[in-house]
Amino acid sequence: DGGITQSPKYLFRKEGQNVTLSCEQNLNHDAMYWYRQDPGQGLRLIYYSQIVNDFQKGDIAEGYSVSREKKESFPLTVTSAQKNPTAFYLCASSQLRGIPTYGYTFGSGTRLTVV
Amino acid sequence: KQEVTQIPAALSVPEGENLVLNCSFTDSAIYNLQWFRQDPGKGLTSLLLIQSSQREQTSGRLNASLDKSSGRSTLYIAASQPGDSATYLCAGQAGTALIFGKGTTLSVSS
Repeated sequence: DGGITQSPKYLFRKEGQNVTLSCEQNLNHDAMYWYRQDPGQGLRLIYYSQIVNDFQKGDIAEGYSVSREKKESFPLTVTSAQKNPTAFYLCASSQLRGIPTYGYTFGSGTRLTVV
Repeated sequence: KQEVTQIPAALSVPEGENLVLNCSFTDSAIYNLQWFRQDPGKGLTSLLLIQSSQREQTSGRLNASLDKSSGRSTLYIAASQPGDSATYLCAGQAGTALIFGKGTTLSVSS
């Protein structure tokens, strides 16, 4: 079945540590996105990529980094510069067809907790 | 900057009721509008996508409409069931990525 796989489901980070969240899709979608979700808030865009080896900052990119070396993969690194990383992280993908998207597909999320 | 507002923030109804969830956005120049469902601790499941040339979409007991001129969308749920209990998110696209509202948390009691 086609879809988006995020791993791990739960992740614990110590202060000052970098951690990487995995996102893989087999939908052959061009674009991939990372969102952050906090209680009582909507999803906020961290980074997005429309093509391999290119990505753009979203609204809250500070303290995060990404790479897009393969069409299927878009890992997110939460660096020690992110002062409040505890949140639910969601990866999404979409097909680009002239008009920007043809609907988004989301993964099941990674819950990151600072310990 | 595009902002999306969802009203009400929470809603409790008895089983069998028909209900309407509302979504409004500040920038009427949106391409697509998508409604999602989110269960606690889970990812988002797409319910309905209204593309730029469309005004409404239907799937089973769900119907979503989009009025670009007023900057509003509604999600209509017919004959609600306890299994419909979840948070419903509205998202509009005016640029490269989707902009989300904070959601409406629905509770349907049996």
